[in-house]
Amino acid sequence: EAGVTQFPSHSVIEKGQTVTLRCDPISGHDNLYWYRRVMGKEIKFLLHFVKESKQDESGMPNNRFLAERTGGTYSTLKVQPAELEDSGVYFCASSQEQGASGGNEQFFGPGTRLTVL
Amino acid sequence: LAKTTQPISMDSYEGQEVNITCSHNNIATNDYITWYQQFPSQGPRFIIQGYKTKVTNEVASLFIPADRKSSTLSLPRVSLSDTAVYYCLVGDTWAGNNRKLIWGLGTSLAVNP
Repeated sequence: EAGVTQFPSHSVIEKGQTVTLRCDPISGHDNLYWYRRVMGKEIKFLLHFVKESKQDESGMPNNRFLAERTGGTYSTLKVQPAELEDSGVYFCASSQEQGASGGNEQFFGPGTRLTVL
Repeated sequence: LAKTTQPISMDSYEGQEVNITCSHNNIATNDYITWYQQFPSQGPRFIIQGYKTKVTNEVASLFIPADRKSSTLSLPRVSLSDTAVYYCLVGDTWAGNNRKLIWGLGTSLAVNP
């Protein structure tokens, strides 16, 4: 079974440009998450999709970030315009529905390293 | 979601048992304790999850005392490939649709030959 994939693996752009990150979750996983780690800091939650709906976007830094998940399959995270502080590693994760006994293991992709110059 | 505290780093040698303790004094009744492992340039990987007492799988064991205010991840007979960052997370992974993970800085484990 293929894992979570992310594209690109690395992206270097200049301040003010636009970048779009893509995440393909594990097939059949309704839940899709975006996280970000800025160098030296903790991994931070950005948002959570359930199928195509945004369930929780409380972690999105500002309106320069736009996430979509058309058709409830892959997701994109667009940063427009990019700022220096947007540099970091962006992780995507997916999970299945779980029963009330716990679970919700999240499967992570390898991340996209974004560098804004 | 409860905050966790764990050592920033640990050193060990091949073949030893490694125990990483995580403190979570404000854990809520519905919270589970989950550990993830992360290698450089990779995404985190789920290791183990528990609610109370002891949980064991093919990778690790998780010990949770009765008060659940701490937990210990035990890695038996570590090898060089176990060098990684280990994260302890606490939260209600079935809080309706609110399942985001709250991360700390983790414990950087270095296994030496």
